Amino acid sequence: DTAVSQTPKYLVTQMGNDKSIKCEQNLGHDTMYWYKQDSKKFLKIMFSYNNKELIINETVPNRFSPKSPDKAHLNLHINSLELGDSAVYFCASSQAYLRGPSTDTQYFGPGTRLTVL
Amino acid sequence: AQSVTQPDIHITVSEGASLELRCNYSYGATPYLFWYVQSPGQGLQLLLKYFSGDTLVQGIKGFEAEFKRSQSSFNLRKPSVHWSDAAEYFCAVGARRGGATNKLIFGTGTLLAVQP
Repeated sequence: DTAVSQTPKYLVTQMGNDKSIKCEQNLGHDTMYWYKQDSKKFLKIMFSYNNKELIINETVPNRFSPKSPDKAHLNLHINSLELGDSAVYFCASSQAYLRGPSTDTQYFGPGTRLTVL
Repeated sequence: AQSVTQPDIHITVSEGASLELRCNYSYGATPYLFWYVQSPGQGLQLLLKYFSGDTLVQGIKGFEAEFKRSQSSFNLRKPSVHWSDAAEYFCAVGARRGGATNKLIFGTGTLLAVQP
């Protein structure tokens, strides 16, 4: 059973298009995250949600809009895609927020490689 | 500012040799520290973590790491490397607000190559 899953695994699209990436976790975790890994492998937080509530929006352009229909899902919608959006996007989850360090470990999905042409 | 530095971009070791990957952090409070591994085309797998207590922590796949507060370091070690350990290794610090980790700050990674 996959703990954190993402779809699609690969996404190739043209500049200007709108696309979505989906993330689901079956770990019963309360908190979910989106990270972006650029071409140099650098990983940076984009968003985090706790129980469907936005906790972090890390100065991400407003073309990126996360949506959490329930605490097991966190989707990422990107409008008007640009060349610089090409990256690998990782979803992650952790057990609980504000309950101490033992619940803070983040588990990552397999990533979605987005290529904008 | 909070940051993580991995000084070695690329390391090559021979199979069976020992390994140490360096990680230095900058964080104002007691850090929560993590090492993740990323195999080619894969996601990130947690190797080990440090929150408090014993400064030598054991992880999966025979890895261990030692937290040294005086040196602001959390170096990853393995006594005998296997070819399957070839991957990218990321050190991270858990940045906290209100007592909870709300994001991970990653280093730039160290790419490990293993020679037969």
